[in-house]
Amino acid sequence: ELKVEQNPLFLSMQEGKNYTIYCNYSTTSDRLYWYRQDPGKSLESLFVLLSNGAVKQEGRLMASLDTKARLSTLHITAAVHDLSATYFCAKRETGANSKLTFGKGITLSVRP
Amino acid sequence: DGGITQSPKYLFRKEGQNVTLSCEQNLNHDAMYWYRQDPGQGLRLIYYSQIVNDFQKGDIAEGYSVSREKKESFPLTVTSAQKNPTAFYLCASKLLYGRRNQPQHFGDGTRLSIL
Repeated sequence: ELKVEQNPLFLSMQEGKNYTIYCNYSTTSDRLYWYRQDPGKSLESLFVLLSNGAVKQEGRLMASLDTKARLSTLHITAAVHDLSATYFCAKRETGANSKLTFGKGITLSVRP
Repeated sequence: DGGITQSPKYLFRKEGQNVTLSCEQNLNHDAMYWYRQDPGQGLRLIYYSQIVNDFQKGDIAEGYSVSREKKESFPLTVTSAQKNPTAFYLCASKLLYGRRNQPQHFGDGTRLSIL
């Protein structure tokens, strides 16, 4: 059974500082997804990481994938208030189906 | 504009009542999914469908039913057998053929509460 773990579950960040959050998973399958969710809202796709060594950047966020370590990281550069949200990683299961297993999410709060 | 429409936005259920949540997409996506989200939890898969007239149980299918009679539509019925239905329900869809590396796209959700 595929397990996806995110840590920490809550992170208070100071504006202007850098942070890294982590997503660990239990299988060696490819394709990892990062999503953002604002309170009471839907999920917005941030990144799709397809293979080992993949790195994607959008603004202050950079995501990477290490399939050997079964780890994805989301690095935040110079945090700003707009980044306050819950961030989920999700892993595609092996085999022909298109199921995703989600982590519990990491809630980021950026303070002045 | 293409997208996923969930309705209603808020829904209340009485004891012993079945309720149906609507999910429609005009993205021409092949697969559709229903997730349940509880406070402080990630998303848990209820049912998914990769092709019309076929669907599979997810991790928490008990007390729910679905149908996929049209490619665009994937309604979810929360039956009276679901004893704790209060949650935020999210519908998603995905292109399976062609540009297969696309992520799942999500609707705006339906918040279901017990009266």
